[in-house]
Amino acid sequence: DAMVIQNPRYQVTQFGKPVTLSCSQTLNHNVMYWYQQKSSQAPKLLFHYYDKDFNNEADTPDNFQSRRPNTSFCFLDIRSPGLGDAAMYLCATSRDQGGTDTQYFGPGTRLTVL
Amino acid sequence: AQSVTQLDSQVPVFEEAPVELRCNYSSSVSVYLFWYVQYPNQGLQLLLKYLSGSTLVKGINGFEAEFNKSQTSFHLRKPSVHISDTAEYFCAVIMNSGYSTLTFGKGTMLLVSP
Repeated sequence: DAMVIQNPRYQVTQFGKPVTLSCSQTLNHNVMYWYQQKSSQAPKLLFHYYDKDFNNEADTPDNFQSRRPNTSFCFLDIRSPGLGDAAMYLCATSRDQGGTDTQYFGPGTRLTVL
Repeated sequence: AQSVTQLDSQVPVFEEAPVELRCNYSSSVSVYLFWYVQYPNQGLQLLLKYLSGSTLVKGINGFEAEFNKSQTSFHLRKPSVHISDTAEYFCAVIMNSGYSTLTFGKGTMLLVSP
């Protein structure tokens, strides 16, 4: 089945130690998104790629970076994780970035910062 | 800019009872509306969406929602809930023209008990 895959499902890192979260998709969608979801809160968009074009949300901290080496893969890099970065990180894809295009979400990676 | 309000953070209900989860939105332009469900430690799954046409939209798992433009609402309903419907439900909105990103409400936890 076509899907959005996130690895790992659970990631533990230490304060200040760089960490990379991975997302892959078999849907061949043009757009890939990264959301941060803190406990009992709505998902918050960090950035997205339309093909190779990177779009950063205005309030996304510089500590968060992303890479999309090809259509199938997208990475979220947190350069120096703080305790406040502990959250569920959700990857999503859509065929296009128009409003009618449904976003398909992966299962998420839960990040713990010690 | 658009915003979404889900007034109820939690809705407890008994199995086989009907349920309504409320969603109101604010936008200066026309929007598309979505309901997503999130089961524990999983990603978001699309329940249903309103793009145009009939204001009553049917989705998966027996859920339906009605778009009311005058009241700027998009309430989610199910006539008879199951234990397995216990999950977090998110209402989301996106502008139907120009560049826009999906804006989520804070979510409503549906707790179904026997």
